[in-house]
Amino acid sequence: ILNVEQSPQSLHVQEGDSTNFTCSFPSSNFYALHWYRWETAKSPEALFVMTLNGDEKKKGRISATLNTKEGYSYLYIKGSQPEDSATYLCASPLSGGYNKLIFGAGTRLAVHP
Amino acid sequence: SQTIHQWPATLVQPVGSPLSLECTVEGTSNPNLYWYRQAAGRGLQLLFYSVGIGQISSEVPQNLSASRPQDRQFILSSKKLLLSDSGFYLCAWSAWDSTNTEAFFGQGTRLTVV
Repeated sequence: ILNVEQSPQSLHVQEGDSTNFTCSFPSSNFYALHWYRWETAKSPEALFVMTLNGDEKKKGRISATLNTKEGYSYLYIKGSQPEDSATYLCASPLSGGYNKLIFGAGTRLAVHP
Repeated sequence: SQTIHQWPATLVQPVGSPLSLECTVEGTSNPNLYWYRQAAGRGLQLLFYSVGIGQISSEVPQNLSASRPQDRQFILSSKKLLLSDSGFYLCAWSAWDSTNTEAFFGQGTRLTVV
């Protein structure tokens, strides 16, 4: 992996379903892994920033895990609600400096009532 | 508290015209500053980032340039816009002294080149 990649590109779920998506990133020279939520007509807002292998973070119904050795992170949403509909972005500083924050293409989540 | 201002919110410009988008940050010193673009149906593409006054790193060869004339001011420019420059532009900042702090985004500029 030479870049930050996310899958799936989009996801449609029913209200109450639990869901998860993946972020893959280069495992060498790892600095940090960020997750952001980007709602329509708003700016991206950070959910989590993780730095340690095995990190798990939780905010309400949303949680994330980090595996720096194999270069992936999972974002989980438990009991999805319509207000969870948004694009979820992950980002990581890649080679060239820890300030060079590179984003994946995002996973667009639509939660249907 | 820190705030970030980006303007204008929307812009319609003819092909060949110049561009200037401005971003300012308040409440912090020596921030890392970023310009991103979201083209239609795609993610956030890093265009430029800056770690200090006059220090600009360009990520994608293109028709745009960036400048940082003051510590908390970041400007995105073009001398002659192309149709392909249309998109949603976001300015962001992060703390200079840590890898594990989040980036904070401005409200964005929707640029349409006609």
